[in-house]
Amino acid sequence: NAGVTQTPKFQVLKTGQSMTLQCAQDMNHNSMYWYRQDPGMGLRLIYYSASEGTTDKGEVPNGYNVSRLNKREFSLRLESAAPSQTSVYFCASSEWTGMNTEAFFGQGTRLTVV
Amino acid sequence: KQEVTQIPAALSVPEGENLVLNCSFTDSAIYNLQWFRQDPGKGLTSLLLIQSSQREQTSGRLNASLDKSSGRSTLYIAASQPGDSATYLCAVTHAGNMLTFGGGTRLMVKP
Repeated sequence: NAGVTQTPKFQVLKTGQSMTLQCAQDMNHNSMYWYRQDPGMGLRLIYYSASEGTTDKGEVPNGYNVSRLNKREFSLRLESAAPSQTSVYFCASSEWTGMNTEAFFGQGTRLTVV
Repeated sequence: KQEVTQIPAALSVPEGENLVLNCSFTDSAIYNLQWFRQDPGKGLTSLLLIQSSQREQTSGRLNASLDKSSGRSTLYIAASQPGDSATYLCAVTHAGNMLTFGGGTRLMVKP
C-alpha cells in the first residue's frame, strides 16, 4: 500500500523561484494537511483541507498557496521562494470515522532555498 | 489555541533501561492523542493512538497513557534498545480534525 506519496523528495531553489510540492493519498481520506518541520520547532501546520473543495489556513500560511485538486491530491505552491522557507515539508491525510481518526504521513520533501 | 509540549527535549540512556517520555497539552477537548516515531531524514511512523475515552494503549514494549483532564500523556518504553533511538513526537487531534504537535523528544539509547 502506497499510503501518502510526496514528490519531489529533495529540491533546491533560488530565491524568487516558484515550485509546487505534490501529495497524493490512496486511502480515500477526506482530510489532508501540509506541515513544515524546522529544527527545534516540531511540525507546524501550513494549510489543511477538511474535504474536497475546501482549504483553510493553518498556523504558518504566509508565502504558500494550496490546491485540493481532487479527493486524492493536495498540492502546496511556493510562488516566490525565500530562504526562510528552507524546511522539510510533510503531507498527511486522515479520516474521521465518528469514533476515531488517525493521521498518516508522507516521507517528506527536503527543500533548500538559496 | 492548543499548545503541546514535550519534556525532555533530548534524552540519552544506556541500553536496557525503562524510560518515560512526557507530553502535555493545554486544551483537554481532544479527540485523540498519537505518538509518532521519526528516524533522521525520514517521515513519521504512527506508534500508538489513544482515543479520548481511553486511558492507555500498548504495543509490544511501548505503553502510552492519557489523562485528558490534566492534559498529560506519557510514553513508556520498556527495556530500551539501540534501535529505539529516534525522535518521538506526540500530537493531539482536536476541533476541525486538526493535529497539533509537540516539539519532540530526541532519544539516544547507547549500547
